Amino acid sequence: GAGVSQTPSNKVTEKGKYVELRCDPISGHTALYWYRQSLGQGPEFLIYFQGTGAADDSGLPNDRFFAVRPEGSVSTLKIQRTERGDSAVYLCASSTTGQGGTYGYTFGSGTRLTVV
Amino acid sequence: AQTVTQSQPEMSVQEAETVTLSCTYDTSESNYYLFWYKQPPSRQMILVIRQEAYKQQNATENRFSVNFQKAAKSFSLKISDSQLGDTAMYFCAFRRMDSNYQLIWGAGTKLIIKP
Repeated sequence: GAGVSQTPSNKVTEKGKYVELRCDPISGHTALYWYRQSLGQGPEFLIYFQGTGAADDSGLPNDRFFAVRPEGSVSTLKIQRTERGDSAVYLCASSTTGQGGTYGYTFGSGTRLTVV
Repeated sequence: AQTVTQSQPEMSVQEAETVTLSCTYDTSESNYYLFWYKQPPSRQMILVIRQEAYKQQNATENRFSVNFQKAAKSFSLKISDSQLGDTAMYFCAFRRMDSNYQLIWGAGTKLIIKP
């Protein structure tokens, strides 16, 4: 597509529920990144995919968080047993190679997750 | 560990004025990258400008320029002839040379351009 698409734009869920957040990167971008942005803060790195594999998942806060990218394009961030502290904007970005940190990523508009 | 500090939570200026946003960082590395990103209400992060630490010349992109003071670990963003569309959150970010994707971000400055 023309840009990075994230769905849903907003998600409200109850504490303890499971949620999936979807990211559709720019066509041909092999690298995909997930960030979490809490209110009043800058983004916090979660995970980086190169193709289908997670090249670095060191930012995932705990084992309730998991992400997949089975065909090397669309990625899904999965959060189990959601907690109120998971409320944040989840940003996805993509780049042509793993050089997003040099030449800049293309970001989506994020999913605002609210856990009530 | 590296840290990035933006000491101005919010700033506002009149349209057409010049505004400078501050950023300081802490690192023991000699080579790295610095960035300014803009986040409008649409939430999409947009790269404004980047600077390589080994380049002494300050980066410029049209109305946007930086004042990079390596010894002082300061990286301020100057916006000239500000426009209403410049209203947004602005984030300063740092990247180590040996990690080509992980950015360390400041907390942001909310910039309001008044008509």
